[in-house]
Amino acid sequence: GESVGLHLPTLSVQEGDNSIINCAYSNSASDYFIWYKQESGKGPQFIIDIRSNMDKRQGQRVTVLLNKTVKHLSLQIAATQPGDSAVYFCAEIKGGAQKLVFGQGTRLTINP
Amino acid sequence: KAGVTQTPRYLIKTRGQQVTLSCSPISGHRSVSWYQQTPGQGLQFLFEYFSETQRNKGNFPGRFSGRQFSNSRSEMNVSTLELGDSALYLCASSLQAGGNEQYFGPGTRLTVT
Repeated sequence: GESVGLHLPTLSVQEGDNSIINCAYSNSASDYFIWYKQESGKGPQFIIDIRSNMDKRQGQRVTVLLNKTVKHLSLQIAATQPGDSAVYFCAEIKGGAQKLVFGQGTRLTINP
Repeated sequence: KAGVTQTPRYLIKTRGQQVTLSCSPISGHRSVSWYQQTPGQGLQFLFEYFSETQRNKGNFPGRFSGRQFSNSRSEMNVSTLELGDSALYLCASSLQAGGNEQYFGPGTRLTVT
């Protein structure tokens, strides 16, 4: 079946350091992998996505890496700020299905 | 441009009752999806509507239903509420069906007692 899972439920980093959040997936047929950020009391917020035929994609302070060989996805956040504190979800989607399958989430805590 | 709005934000119901939740997508977005979020199961897909038609459905019982109106606004209904239905219900909209970039509303927190 299709599933995504995150490696760590919590991650604590120092402000200004880089954060790396990891995710494993099992469905090789996924077309897109997506990262969402959910702050307390809010709905998930789209951060960045990557097509399955890509290895790397960069956004503003974020980079997503996709390793299809080991079915691994990671989100790197540069120079982590207090506003980055949230739960981060990886998700996968098959084009046309409009069905996001979410992992369990990693809670990122920023230490001052 | 206004984001996705959901009403009500909080709701308390009793077992056996039914509930209707509402979602207004971003202007111009025609696809609306609904998700249930619980601490134990995480975020789970309920169903997706596009142009008033249900395109996809998750693995939930028939007590969960939805619809979409001609203005793309959507409602979901849960009948015969159970304690396990307590959750945050999230609505997401996107421009097109099958789109990978979805925009979520703040959710409706449903508590069943």
